[in-house]
Amino acid sequence: EAEVAQSPRYKITEKSQAVAFWCDPISGHATLYWYRQILGQGPELLVQFQDESVVDDSQLPKDRFSAERLKGVDSTLKIQPAELGDSAMYLCASSLRTTEGNTIYFGEGSWLTVV
Amino acid sequence: AQSVTQLDSQVPVFEEAPVELRCNYSSSVSVYLFWYVQYPNQGLQLLLKYLSGSTLVKGINGFEAEFNKSQTSFHLRKPSVHISDTAEYFCAVSEGAGGYQKVTFGTGTKLQVIP
Repeated sequence: EAEVAQSPRYKITEKSQAVAFWCDPISGHATLYWYRQILGQGPELLVQFQDESVVDDSQLPKDRFSAERLKGVDSTLKIQPAELGDSAMYLCASSLRTTEGNTIYFGEGSWLTVV
Repeated sequence: AQSVTQLDSQVPVFEEAPVELRCNYSSSVSVYLFWYVQYPNQGLQLLLKYLSGSTLVKGINGFEAEFNKSQTSFHLRKPSVHISDTAEYFCAVSEGAGGYQKVTFGTGTKLQVIP
């Protein structure tokens, strides 16, 4: 069964350092999502791509977060500089299409701890 | 704007007893509804979804949910729970927004199955 691949699974970084997460969606999936999940809460969308284009980044803290999906396949989410409040799980997900009702498939997530 | 409410943050239930996890949503247009399960330190896995048709939807692991448009609810049920059902459950709503889907998750309900 095809899966969404994410790395690293766990990352500990010091405050003010840079950190990056990588995601490879299910082959053929046009839409890629990055969610942030704080412990005890539901996932919150950071950025959504349709192929290589951003369709929603309204909740992305653009002063420190950036995301790219240059060739419309894999994607990188970067945080610089990291802050203590960024400690969370970062979930990558993909769906075949971008229209409403499309099932979103999640990766295992990347745990970030900022110290 | 769409929203999802999961009123119960935690639901303890004895093994082999029935359980219902509540989900209410608000949306101004037609919606598509999902339930996901998250085991510790893992990503989210789709349990079931409602797109159209029969309001009773059956999913994996013996779970089912009923869509009630008049009450704007999509409650999840299982007639007899197992220890392995201990996990966090998220309700989500998908709505069309400018040609792409916007998916909003609830805050989650932790199901604790007691032996």
